[in-house]
Amino acid sequence: DTGVSQNPRHKITKRGQNVTFRCDPISEHNRLYWYRQTLGQGPEFLTYFQNEAQLEKSRLLSDRFSAERPKGSFSTLEIQRTEQGDSAMYLCASSEMGDTQYFGPGTRLTVL
Amino acid sequence: KQEVTQIPAALSVPEGENLVLNCSFTDSAIYNLQWFRQDPGKGLTSLLLIQSSQREQTSGRLNASLDKSSGRSTLYIAASQPGDSATYLCAVQGGSYIPTFGRGTSLIVHP
Repeated sequence: DTGVSQNPRHKITKRGQNVTFRCDPISEHNRLYWYRQTLGQGPEFLTYFQNEAQLEKSRLLSDRFSAERPKGSFSTLEIQRTEQGDSAMYLCASSEMGDTQYFGPGTRLTVL
Repeated sequence: KQEVTQIPAALSVPEGENLVLNCSFTDSAIYNLQWFRQDPGKGLTSLLLIQSSQREQTSGRLNASLDKSSGRSTLYIAASQPGDSATYLCAVQGGSYIPTFGRGTSLIVHP
């Protein structure tokens, strides 16, 4: 078990472009979370999945954001028509129900 | 809406000191509370998880306590070392399983 992995680690894009991030959780974990973190702040919850079902979505997750977890394994987070305000670190975490969350290294997005 | 506050926001201490970091939350109906450390530009590393039915957890030089009724948790770091320098975050998880994080305490331990 190599822990939670995220790809890419860094992404630079121009405003208006679409980007997609991937998260591979720890294999036996049924819960997967996405967060956004900006400098000097704690992570802000975006959404979470239990297996393949998306159970909660934050109001932060505008119509331009979509997340999927097909077959309850890896997850993708897509941002359409990126804006400069989307620049942040996007973190993924996985856990077994009610247990410790394990975080990936994050994907740093810069929107020019 | 759950709000989590961490005090102090920053702390600079000499090596060897014992430290107390504080975390307070507004809604005591929590499922668990977790402490993390985060190194600059990196993801979060879990330190301790306290379930709502527990009062404290210990791991090595770290001890975390939980007082649900008063909405407080403390992280105690014994005999601090330069390698402990990082940002420490607490997160509370309510019945909806949505975690709420504080803004963290930035710790510097100088030799």
